Amino acid sequence: TQLLEQSPQFLSIQEGENLTVYCNSSSVFSSLQWYRQEPGEGPVLLVTVVTGGEVKKLKRLTFQFGDARKDSSLHITAAQPGDTGLYLCAGAKGFQKLVFGTGTRLLVSP
Amino acid sequence: NAGVTQTPKFQVLKTGQSMTLQCAQDMNHEYMSWYRQDPGMGLRLIHYSVGAGITDQGEVPNGYNVSRSTTEDFPLRLLSAAPSQTSVYFCATQPTGGPGEQYFGPGTRLTVT
Repeated sequence: TQLLEQSPQFLSIQEGENLTVYCNSSSVFSSLQWYRQEPGEGPVLLVTVVTGGEVKKLKRLTFQFGDARKDSSLHITAAQPGDTGLYLCAGAKGFQKLVFGTGTRLLVSP
Repeated sequence: NAGVTQTPKFQVLKTGQSMTLQCAQDMNHEYMSWYRQDPGMGLRLIHYSVGAGITDQGEVPNGYNVSRSTTEDFPLRLLSAAPSQTSVYFCATQPTGGPGEQYFGPGTRLTVT
């Protein structure tokens, strides 16, 4: 059972454009994480959000956790080719057993 | 620090063969886990361990065995490989007491013919 739905599945944009990726669930999570994965490598943690309504910024990336802790979004401002990759959200129920979303594949062209 | 290391990087098996995927970490994390990643399915938890001597099943444990004799190592064994086990396998660690963030190895791409 896939508890976390990500949209869109694929996104192809030009350098300089803005974009938003969504991660939605009907379940409540104690925390939510975003990872980026490049071809041939393991996912790398970008951010963890733990409080409903929390907003975190990481340079041009802005992450938000929904008020009810069921959803999250990732906004990238002025995307660059280096942002290309697979973006994964993952929800934690307590300490263990992360549930991963299906991923959003982003391609940023120069 | 090497972080999380996995060997081999690539492996091809014939149906029915057995093999062990190795995972080692030098971060002194108690929690370790194995995931498989398949197109359109995201990452699915196979087995996990909360410390040496303790293991438990995840979402898709059938066909896989694990053991945890030391904090550093967490091997994944395929006793009789099947084509359905063709996938990319990731080992991950998690620090104790945190909100659940995982640190992943580089992965093993396994093909079963």
